[in-house]
Amino acid sequence: DTEVTQTPKHLVMGMTNKKSLKCEQHMGHRAMYWYKQKAKKPPELMFVYSYEKLSINESVPSRFSPECPNSSLLNLHLHALQPEDSALYLCASSQTEAGGTDTQYFGPGTRLTVL
Amino acid sequence: AQKVTQAQTEISVVEKEDVTLDCVYETRDTTYYLFWYKQPPSGELVFLIRRNSFDEQNEISGRYSWNFQKSTSSFNFTITASQVVDSAVYFCALSEAREYGNKLVFGAGTILRVKS
Repeated sequence: DTEVTQTPKHLVMGMTNKKSLKCEQHMGHRAMYWYKQKAKKPPELMFVYSYEKLSINESVPSRFSPECPNSSLLNLHLHALQPEDSALYLCASSQTEAGGTDTQYFGPGTRLTVL
Repeated sequence: AQKVTQAQTEISVVEKEDVTLDCVYETRDTTYYLFWYKQPPSGELVFLIRRNSFDEQNEISGRYSWNFQKSTSSFNFTITASQVVDSAVYFCALSEAREYGNKLVFGAGTILRVKS
């Protein structure tokens, strides 16, 4: 069962709000990812967690703060976002991240609108 | 640096037509992995296939087939007898084998519209 779930499906927030995106997988995967996808563009990697530790941060602004409470959960905390941060945020997981070999399985995404 | 090019921005076909989506990649590594993902309007990226650089065998899965040619750095995807449900954005992606860090580099995507 290759299922990654994300909540909420849609989120509208103001620039002064604090909100969180949640991602969960029960496949026993040890690597989890956050991607940002703007309209009509491919996904862009933001963060990678491996064995619950942050292993890649693609120079993402600090208003995005990832957290991996355990091997099944991945959060993305949002604070003081800008309208240009409006996008589809995709979570993915893979068995491990070693060697670039493992297939990443994606969740349905959270469509974020920043007003 | 690794790069994936999907030159076809949008393709429109009529149902039951065959359609081929092109993917050309660039990498300096000898070991790498290629992927195809489908993104329907709902937004979820659906994994279709993974191919490693040492396996040049073509693959067929139902109406889907993939042609990997290392000599031309291409990994093309063909849908036979297309259906309306095939309408989606299709992404080709490349992952290099590194000791640390699994990063997918995506092509720009090809929008496929299948009309009934």
